[in-house]
Amino acid sequence: DGGITQSPKYLFRKEGQNVTLSCEQNLNHDAMYWYRQDPGQGLRLIYYSQIVNDFQKGDIAEGYSVSREKKESFPLTVTSAQKNPTAFYLCASSIVTSTQRFFGPGTRLTVL
Amino acid sequence: AQSVTQLDSHVSVSEGTPVLLRCNYSSSYSPSLFWYVQHPNKGLQLLLKYTSAATLVKGINGFEAEFKKSETSFHLTKPSAHMSDAAEYFCVVSVADTGNQFYFGTGTSLTVIP
Repeated sequence: DGGITQSPKYLFRKEGQNVTLSCEQNLNHDAMYWYRQDPGQGLRLIYYSQIVNDFQKGDIAEGYSVSREKKESFPLTVTSAQKNPTAFYLCASSIVTSTQRFFGPGTRLTVL
Repeated sequence: AQSVTQLDSHVSVSEGTPVLLRCNYSSSYSPSLFWYVQHPNKGLQLLLKYTSAATLVKGINGFEAEFKKSETSFHLTKPSAHMSDAAEYFCVVSVADTGNQFYFGTGTSLTVIP
């Protein structure tokens, strides 16, 4: 089955710790994205990547970092600099940026 | 500038009655428009998309939407609601001049009453 996987589904961390969220796709898509979702708000773009070894900041990149060493993988690190990291994080991919996004199931991060 | 306004944050309908979820957009150029559905603690699933072809777009699960340029609207409808339609719905606009970034509305929560 082709798709996007995110792990873990639920993640708990103590304040001040960095945490890395996994996103893997086997759709052979060039573009990948990370979004943050908060209650009552739409999705906000954190980072995106159109090609391996290249990525761009989205609207709310502060306190986050990413890497794109492989086409299939786009991990997101939530650093201790992120002031309010508790949220639902969604990874997505698309063939290129002009096409629809395919979304993973999401990771709910709770910082205690 | 691009933006999306979903006019209702919550909509409640009885099972078997029509569904109308409203979306207005603002775009300087010809947009692509999408509706996504999200069930609790799940990712987003594409319902339908408009990309400058037919203005009446049919999607999955009996949903459809009509692109009305004069009204800058892209409302989502379904003739008869089913219990499984209860979810959060997002309207999205994308335009080529912004690198095809997606701009999400704030969502409409649909409740279906038995």
